[in-house]
Amino acid sequence: GENVEQHPSTLSVQEGDSAVIKCTYSDSASNYFPWYKQELGKGPQLIIDIRSNVGEKKDQRIAVTLNKTAKHFSLHITETQPEDSAVYFCAASIQGYQKVTFGIGTKLQVIP
Amino acid sequence: NAGVMQNPRHLVRRRGQEARLRCSPMKGHSHVYWYRQLPEEGLKFMVYLQKENIIDESGMPKERFSAEFPKEGPSILRIQQVVRGDSAAYFCASSAGVGATGELFFGEGSRLTVL
Repeated sequence: GENVEQHPSTLSVQEGDSAVIKCTYSDSASNYFPWYKQELGKGPQLIIDIRSNVGEKKDQRIAVTLNKTAKHFSLHITETQPEDSAVYFCAASIQGYQKVTFGIGTKLQVIP
Repeated sequence: NAGVMQNPRHLVRRRGQEARLRCSPMKGHSHVYWYRQLPEEGLKFMVYLQKENIIDESGMPKERFSAEFPKEGPSILRIQQVVRGDSAAYFCASSAGVGATGELFFGEGSRLTVL
């Protein structure tokens, strides 16, 4: 089955700096890569996703990149703000079969 | 509230008791997923259900755990004879199914504590 590795497990940045979280996946058939944000005591919420037919996608301060050859994908948050502090999960799945495999999560702390 | 509803939010059980966790998917969603989250760990897939069918239970422990999604009513995750290692947050998610965007909508979780 699919295996998703994520790093770092914790990340502290100063407010205004950028944060980068990296993931790798094992199943070359995976073609859908969502990122979820989980705030304390809440359920995860989708913040951005990317499909295998594109290499990059941006939405305001967040962007994702995908390297299918290397089976790497990354989340970039620019101009970080304290409200970005949360746990971020990368995930991978095969579109049309919706079992989603998650990484272990990255606890991001943005220091004011 | 049209979101995924889970209850109870918190459940305390003694070893050997049964735990029942309920999940009502988003309106219009017919696919339900259960994930377990242990402290300092990620989300581990347990089971994927459609109405009256278990599609994939590859993440379910072989004993004591069962799940259902009946034609009427919420999905139920049942844990019999709970042990301390079952203490975790259990998240339910729903989706509109194959052909939809692929986004999972999560509930706020049920936190099980086994004494």
